[in-house]
Amino acid sequence: GAGVSQTPSNKVTEKGKYVELRCDPISGHTALYWYRQSLGQGPEFLIYFQGTGAADDSGLPNDRFFAVRPEGSVSTLKIQRTERGDSAVYLCASSPVREETQYFGPGTRLLVL
Amino acid sequence: ELKVEQNPLFLSMQEGKNYTIYCNYSTTSDRLYWYRQDPGKSLESLFVLLSNGAVKQEGRLMASLDTKARLSTLHITAAVHDLSATYFCAVDKYGGSQGNLIFGKGTKLSVKP
Repeated sequence: GAGVSQTPSNKVTEKGKYVELRCDPISGHTALYWYRQSLGQGPEFLIYFQGTGAADDSGLPNDRFFAVRPEGSVSTLKIQRTERGDSAVYLCASSPVREETQYFGPGTRLLVL
Repeated sequence: ELKVEQNPLFLSMQEGKNYTIYCNYSTTSDRLYWYRQDPGKSLESLFVLLSNGAVKQEGRLMASLDTKARLSTLHITAAVHDLSATYFCAVDKYGGSQGNLIFGKGTKLSVKP
């Protein structure tokens, strides 16, 4: 079946611009997670949704970062006033109810010039 | 602050040899996750260890969990080139199953003929 999909696969933007990254989870998965992975590092937790609500947003680095999941399926991660330090691969994962495994998408590679 | 430490960070081994990757974590948790990442690709779930003493095996990989020692091991038996990848362990931030995973830095494994 279809896995987690993320669009765009690559995004190049200029410092100060606004970007949106999209995640389509596996159909029926209620939990959705965003992570950020810098080169040579492990993924860093950003935010976790259970259904439509953000169950834990403690990983968002500052108020420039915001994520929504209005209908409990697709999620959008929004970054305002991008900075060069935001450059990373943004990974999305989803999991069904009562299953421990998180299924990761291919990621969006963001480059801020 | 929860820390997840892996060692070694880099491992070069010959085909046919055995080796163990170690994952230590700094908080109480009764579950631990292992993922594999190929270059330029996303993360693939390998094992979910759900209790103290849990042992799981898949092919040439075997993972175990000692929650008292806060230690998990990933043992590689008779390595083959196809196992070359980066391996991450991860622990739930709150020690349960909330899903906000804290990852180690990864162990980059290179298996040479």
